[in-house]
Amino acid sequence: DSGVTQTPKHLITATGQRVTLRCSPRSGDLSVYWYQQSLDQGLQFLIQYYNGEERAKGNILERFSAQQFPDLHSELNLSSLELGDSALYFCASSVASGNTGELFFGEGSRLTVL
Amino acid sequence: AQSVTQLDSQVPVFEEAPVELRCNYSSSVSVYLFWYVQYPNQGLQLLLKYLSGSTLVKGINGFEAEFNKSQTSFHLRKPSVHISDTAEYFCAVLGSGGYQKVTFGIGTKLQVIP
Repeated sequence: DSGVTQTPKHLITATGQRVTLRCSPRSGDLSVYWYQQSLDQGLQFLIQYYNGEERAKGNILERFSAQQFPDLHSELNLSSLELGDSALYFCASSVASGNTGELFFGEGSRLTVL
Repeated sequence: AQSVTQLDSQVPVFEEAPVELRCNYSSSVSVYLFWYVQYPNQGLQLLLKYLSGSTLVKGINGFEAEFNKSQTSFHLRKPSVHISDTAEYFCAVLGSGGYQKVTFGIGTKLQVIP
């Protein structure tokens, strides 16, 4: 158990819909990262937050947004969903802003868009 | 910016045989290197890391990796694999100095054959 909690574990929805994925980092971790894992593109970095502020942005679509709340949990919002958004979405956390390199991953939220 | 290349997408190996999973990286700065493992239906977990010092690093479950700066490689090895090692293995790189993000390779699926 990494200490990172993600909900929901599975989600099935239709194209055009909007979903919210939630992540609670390990106790004491200030950084939260979101990754998308798909069969054809591997593990893609989406976005990172550190202590409530956006720290780095990766290959995140404009239809996607995220935030980190004062209690340090984070939400990833995916809107106008397309079939290609079906993937496993991972949240990871770390103590510092990223320079330790050691990330603790949740078990992921599997999104299926029909 | 950094990049990681995992040369083999799948590696089948018989139980108790040795295995090497290859990883090459590119970076304009010094790097920290990592191997993560993802068991079926789970998140990624850290296997081992190289930050500095000895170029041979040992990790969990009998795995080790060697940092070779001249060849920009960080290959993962295990002298004798078990069925339980069947998983996907990800090499990752983090540039040292300033803020950098962790970049993952596309992953190598290790299939241990009984």
